[in-house]
Amino acid sequence: AQSVTQLDSQVPVFEEAPVELRCNYSSSVSVYLFWYVQYPNQGLQLLLKYLSGSTLVESINGFEAEFNKSQTSFHLRKPSVHISDTAEYFCAVSERAQKLVFGQGTRLTINP
Amino acid sequence: DTEVTQTPKHLVMGMTNKKSLKCEQHMGHRAMYWYKQKAKKPPELMFVYSYEKLSINESVPSRFSPECPNSSLLNLHLHALQPEDSALYLCASSQDGASPYEQYFGPGTRLTVT
Repeated sequence: AQSVTQLDSQVPVFEEAPVELRCNYSSSVSVYLFWYVQYPNQGLQLLLKYLSGSTLVESINGFEAEFNKSQTSFHLRKPSVHISDTAEYFCAVSERAQKLVFGQGTRLTINP
Repeated sequence: DTEVTQTPKHLVMGMTNKKSLKCEQHMGHRAMYWYKQKAKKPPELMFVYSYEKLSINESVPSRFSPECPNSSLLNLHLHALQPEDSALYLCASSQDGASPYEQYFGPGTRLTVT
């Protein structure tokens, strides 16, 4: 069965500092990987996805994630964060269509 | 239009009430989902409809009854809920249920059961 572990429940960083949110998954077959962001009192928004091809995927707002099959990881990074990046970030894995399994989430807090 | 809309935004109901949550998308997606999210927790899948047919029920209690009247609409009928059912209910849609396409989420309905 697939599972997702987000290693940090909370990550506080200063504005303009780099950040990495860690995600490891467990699966016996090929997987599809996603990062979603949830701002306070809102639904989830897709940040980026890995389905196949290049292992480095990027979002339009400066985040990137790298799929590492040997380490079963899909860590999310941003070289310089802004106050507006404060949110809950969920890593998710899908072995087959329809079923997304989410990690427990990482709360990213940006301090001025 | 990449929007999933949900109504109402907030709902307070007693344990003997009957109410419904509504979800709508106009992206031509053929798979729609209901999730339940408790505070500080990830979303938990409840139901999946694919091509207007129920394809997944994650052993959800019968006091929650989903309905998919057409490919754009998804309802969740609520009856005799318990206080522990208070949560954010999220609707999502994806292109279809056969491929791992990303799911688009609505803003959710925050339900309080008194």
